[in-house]
Amino acid sequence: EPEVTQTPSHQVTQMGQEVILRCVPISNHLYFYWYRQILGQKVEFLVSFYNNEISEKSEIFDDQFSVERPDGSNFTLKIRSTKLEDSAMYFCASITPWGTSGGAWKNIQYFGAGTRLSVL
Amino acid sequence: GESVGLHLPTLSVQEGDNSIINCAYSNSASDYFIWYKQESGKGPQFIIDIRSNMDKRQGQRVTVLLNKTVKHLSLQIAATQPGDSAVYFCAERFSGGYNKLIFGAGTRLAVHP
Repeated sequence: EPEVTQTPSHQVTQMGQEVILRCVPISNHLYFYWYRQILGQKVEFLVSFYNNEISEKSEIFDDQFSVERPDGSNFTLKIRSTKLEDSAMYFCASITPWGTSGGAWKNIQYFGAGTRLSVL
Repeated sequence: GESVGLHLPTLSVQEGDNSIINCAYSNSASDYFIWYKQESGKGPQFIIDIRSNMDKRQGQRVTVLLNKTVKHLSLQIAATQPGDSAVYFCAERFSGGYNKLIFGAGTRLAVHP
């Protein structure tokens, strides 16, 4: 079964350093998302991305964050200068396009296993 | 505002019993709802979804019920198994095809043999 893959599984960084979290969405998906989950809390939306541009972003997604789809397969989240409060699990998700599966509307967001970011 | 909440943070059941996990949502404009299962150290895994024009949908051992009158969503798991132990999240999507998901706080399901 196709899946969303994320690397690395765990990233440790010093406060103020830049990190890039990588995701390979499911191959025929067109919309991509980043979410984060602080330990013990709910999953929070960060940003959605379609057609090489941001569709929507949350208040969390400030100027320190950026996303990019550098090629046909990767989708990255960059944090320019990490803060202690950026420590969290970061999940990438992607969605299958309209019209697949015999014309039925498929709207399920499939999530990767996540990258645990630890900012020291 | 944007909020999806859960009534019960932890649910303990005996193996073989049926489980019911509840969720309240606040946005009347939400048109799509999903239940995800999250096991320790893993990402959310899709269980079942339901559109706002439905009130019930069944899958394999799982049923989702939607009551739009009181903005309530529930997940029923039949014959709960130890492998069902996980945190379960409901999520709502505001109307539109590709909009973000708003997640609830999660309910931990503990299945005892």
